[in-house]
Amino acid sequence: NAGVMQNPRHLVRRRGQEARLRCSPMKGHSHVYWYRQLPEEGLKFMVYLQKENIIDESGMPKERFSAEFPKEGPSILRIQQVVRGDSAAYFCASSGQVLNTEAFFGQGTRLTVV
Amino acid sequence: AQKITQTQPGMFVQEKEAVTLDCTYDTSDQSYGLFWYKQPSSGEMIFLIYQGSYDEQNATEGRYSLNFQKARKSANLVISASQLGDSAMYFCAMNFGNEKLTFGTGTRLTIIP
Repeated sequence: NAGVMQNPRHLVRRRGQEARLRCSPMKGHSHVYWYRQLPEEGLKFMVYLQKENIIDESGMPKERFSAEFPKEGPSILRIQQVVRGDSAAYFCASSGQVLNTEAFFGQGTRLTVV
Repeated sequence: AQKITQTQPGMFVQEKEAVTLDCTYDTSDQSYGLFWYKQPSSGEMIFLIYQGSYDEQNATEGRYSLNFQKARKSANLVISASQLGDSAMYFCAMNFGNEKLTFGTGTRLTIIP
């Protein structure tokens, strides 16, 4: 009974490189949420996706950030041309079709931009 | 818009004592969910407990219980018989239906032996 799987756990990128973060939801879950946690802060919503659709991207920065959740495979959060300020923990959560009473998170990807 | 407030940035509690972590929220909606998460120093987010706005009884999960006072818009987490392993950051969060969670700023709980 695998939970939400995120990889990599840790990612180091130089400024200007691309970061790709992956999230495989729990089995049977078709809703994926991405959150960002800056050091010493709470989690901030970024984007909510269902299979092949972006439902709510109100928390996504307008530039350099994109997300997808294809029909097959994991959800991907992509950050182009990373900057130092992108250094954070990125968490993915998934839920099923019914009311979201148990939002389970993956272990997060800690991105460090050097 | 939803807003979650956690007014205790840090707390120190003696081992085996009960602890209450405060959480208040602001919403005009009648249907919503309230969540508590634990984040230990290792960084993962661990789901603890959920309370629906229409649930008449307070939620309980083992040593965790949620003191839900709807009229006051508060959803405090109570941990009974605290243990050293309870030392962590604790986040309160809320959502509507199947939508995004809005988090508070967290409370850092330290259990003293």
